[in-house]
Order: sequence, then C-alpha cells, then structure tokens
Amino acid sequence: GAGVSQSPRYKVAKRGQDVALRCDPISGHVSLFWYQQALGQGPEFLTYFQNEAQLDKSGLPSDRFFAERPEGSVSTLKIQRTQQEDSAVYLCASSLANRVGETQYFGPGTRLLVL
Amino acid sequence: DQQVKQNSPSLSVQEGRISILNCDYTNSMFDYFLWYKKYPAEGPTFLISISSIKDKNEDGRFTVFLNKSAKHLSLHIVPSQPGDSAVYFCAAKGTGTASKLTFGTGTRLQVTL
Repeated sequence: GAGVSQSPRYKVAKRGQDVALRCDPISGHVSLFWYQQALGQGPEFLTYFQNEAQLDKSGLPSDRFFAERPEGSVSTLKIQRTQQEDSAVYLCASSLANRVGETQYFGPGTRLLVL
Repeated sequence: DQQVKQNSPSLSVQEGRISILNCDYTNSMFDYFLWYKKYPAEGPTFLISISSIKDKNEDGRFTVFLNKSAKHLSLHIVPSQPGDSAVYFCAAKGTGTASKLTFGTGTRLQVTL
C-alpha cells in the first residue's frame, strides 16, 4: 500500500517568502506528526494531530509556523516570512493510533532551502 | 538539553561482523524506545522497538537491548551486510500515550566488504 507522501520534495524560497508543505498520511491513520531535521541532527518534533485536532504544538519554533489538518487526513505546514534558519528537512509521519507501541511511519521529507 | 544521545557519529564494520550502535537517554519518563534507519533522501524507516518492561527484543538480524538502570540501549546487527549502511537513529517516547518521538543525532554505519 501507499506510504506517507510529501510535496514538494524540494523547495527553494527567498527570505521573507511564505511556503506551504503538504503531507498525505497513510490512509486511515489517525495520528499525524511533523518534525524538523536540521543538517547533521536528528528529527525534532514540531506538532501533532489526532484526526483534525492539533493536540500538541509545543515544538513549533515561532508563530511564523502554522500547521493544519482540517479534514483529518491531509496536513499542511505553513511557514510565513521564511528565515535562513528555517532551512531544514521537514518530515511528516503518521500512525494508526496514538498508543505507546504504535509505530510512526515517515514520509521522504521536504527539503527547504531559504536563501 | 539532549535527552537522547548517540555519542558515536560514525561506525565502520566489516561485512559479516557484528555492528553495535549505542544510545543513552536522560529522561526517566521515557518508556518506549525505537530504532530507525535512514538512507539519503528518504525518510526514516522503522527498524525495531522495545518497551521498558523488557530488556531485549529480537527481530531477525536485529536485536535491541535495554538497560534501564544505566539508561542505555544498544542495537546489534548480526551479521552486518553492505545494505545495512545507513544512518541509524535512536528515538524515545514518554509515559502513557505521549505522542512525540525524541531522537538522537544519529550514527552513520558503514559496512565494508
């Protein structure tokens, strides 16, 4: 079956530009996560949805970052007025439910470069 | 504050030998641990996990050991194969239904012929 897909795979933005990153989770997966991975680092949690409800946004680095999942399926991570420090790979993951033993399945990521 | 640490950024092992990747954590609220494998330009792929109520979990060539008192876990790959060459991330989850994974910085494993 289809895994988690993300688009675009690569995005180059000029500083100050707004960007929108899309995530299509595995069909039927209730939980959806966004992570940011800087070069040479491990992924860092940004935000979490259970269906359409955003239950945790503690990892969003600033109010320029906004995520939504209006129908409980596709999610969009929006970054306003991008800065150079926003350059990273943005990973989306989904899981069937939010249980301790539930595996998170990751998409290929969107590599964002802010010039 | 790095709550999950992988102190070896890289490891080189000969094909057929054992690869041992280590991970330490500081948060005693973590009770579920996972290893992910990542190839370039791909997302992390789940490899194996272990609950804090166990000290060992095995899946084919992969075994994860957990030492709760030392807050240490390790991933053993036996025998190592060239296709195992990738970056390996250790990750941890907190108590209950806590959602987010906390990752280490990764160890790049190279399996040589």
